[in-house]
Amino acid sequence: NAGVTQTPKFRILKIGQSMTLQCAQDMNHNYMYWYRQDPGMGLKLIYYSVGAGITDKGEVPNGYNVSRSTTEDFPLRLELAAPSQTSVYFCATGTPEAFFGQGTRLTVV
Amino acid sequence: ILNVEQSPQSLHVQEGDSTNFTCSFPSSNFYALHWYRWETAKSPEALFVMTLNGDEKKKGRISATLNTKEGYSYLYIKGSQPEDSATYLCALNYNTDKLIFGTGTRLQVFP
Repeated sequence: NAGVTQTPKFRILKIGQSMTLQCAQDMNHNYMYWYRQDPGMGLKLIYYSVGAGITDKGEVPNGYNVSRSTTEDFPLRLELAAPSQTSVYFCATGTPEAFFGQGTRLTVV
Repeated sequence: ILNVEQSPQSLHVQEGDSTNFTCSFPSSNFYALHWYRWETAKSPEALFVMTLNGDEKKKGRISATLNTKEGYSYLYIKGSQPEDSATYLCALNYNTDKLIFGTGTRLQVFP
């Protein structure tokens, strides 16, 4: 029982490149979230999903896209990476208590 | 825009001191308040989830209270220990499905 699994753990991207951050959960939770950690700003909600096929914007959605085709998976897509997207990204699942993955550290250079 | 405010931003205490932090939020359309503990290089872990006005929760030396009418929650740590050093995050569910976090209180406990 892995809980919430994020891949990759680390990634360096060049400006303009694209990538997908993967999040998978085996807890059968409907609710899933993507957050980014900005220094001094805590966790900011990027996108969230309340079930397969349903997604919605959070506080800072610009520059990102998500999809939720299954209950288990909630990938986050960066289409044109920018230095401002350098951050640590956390996926979480569950409600009311949220369970977090280990994070993906992304650097855009 | 949902605004969850935490104070203080950081706190340094001596081992054995008791301490408390505040989470303030707009009280309209409140659904649930969460406290999370976040150690450096790890993921946030849930401490408490509270939904009712007047709720009090306790886990060991850590306790929390909730006042939904005036829009605040307190987190208390009794007899702080170095292993309590972490960032403590408050988060809110409103009548939407979003889980919005505050900026956190960074606690450092010195031996």
